[in-house]
Amino acid sequence: SQQGEEDPQALSIQEGENATMNCSYKTSINNLQWYRQNSGRGLVHLILIRSNEREKHSGRLRVTLDTSKKSSSLLITASRAADTASYFCATAQNQAGTALIFGKGTTLSVSS
Amino acid sequence: GAVVSQHPSRVICKSGTSVKIECRSLDFQATTMFWYRQFPKQSLMLMATSNEGSKATYEQGVEKDKFLINHASLTLSTLTVTSAHPEDSSFYICSASDGQNTEAFFGQGTRLTVV
Repeated sequence: SQQGEEDPQALSIQEGENATMNCSYKTSINNLQWYRQNSGRGLVHLILIRSNEREKHSGRLRVTLDTSKKSSSLLITASRAADTASYFCATAQNQAGTALIFGKGTTLSVSS
Repeated sequence: GAVVSQHPSRVICKSGTSVKIECRSLDFQATTMFWYRQFPKQSLMLMATSNEGSKATYEQGVEKDKFLINHASLTLSTLTVTSAHPEDSSFYICSASDGQNTEAFFGQGTRLTVV
């Protein structure tokens, strides 16, 4: 089963612009994680935000979490062509040892 | 971070044959492993959860007799796709948990093509 929706489904921007992707989920969570997947490849873990956190930064990434709205956003600033990939949010109901439930993903295209 | 190795990365098999995919945790003991499937241009769907030494728990709609999961040790889980058909062609990816770390550790994935 999947938690919910991500929007947009596809996003095309120019290098240097910011990219914002949103994720909504349905159940209560312990944490939410964002992953990147290049075409046909495995997952790269980007960032994890816990349910008691509201915002987190990592380099050019900024993640927010609104548990009252059951939503999260991923902002990539100053995008590069190398950021072109699919981005997925994934939620975990418990701290450890439980499966991640993935959103449908956003396909980001950054053109130079 | 912890390393999870998945093998093979790519396999082509004939319809009707079986294929085994291995998922190994290289530097930690994985009390729980998860198997996901991803069809082209879609998201990852959880297939099953396996705990070391016990039977796997399958998600609704996943045939346990077709997708055999064995988690015989704390470092190895295998997924066997039995009597594979072209519609089983997909990207299969495992993840492993030591039961303590919040972050999940994923293998590199296996691209299965059934011809």
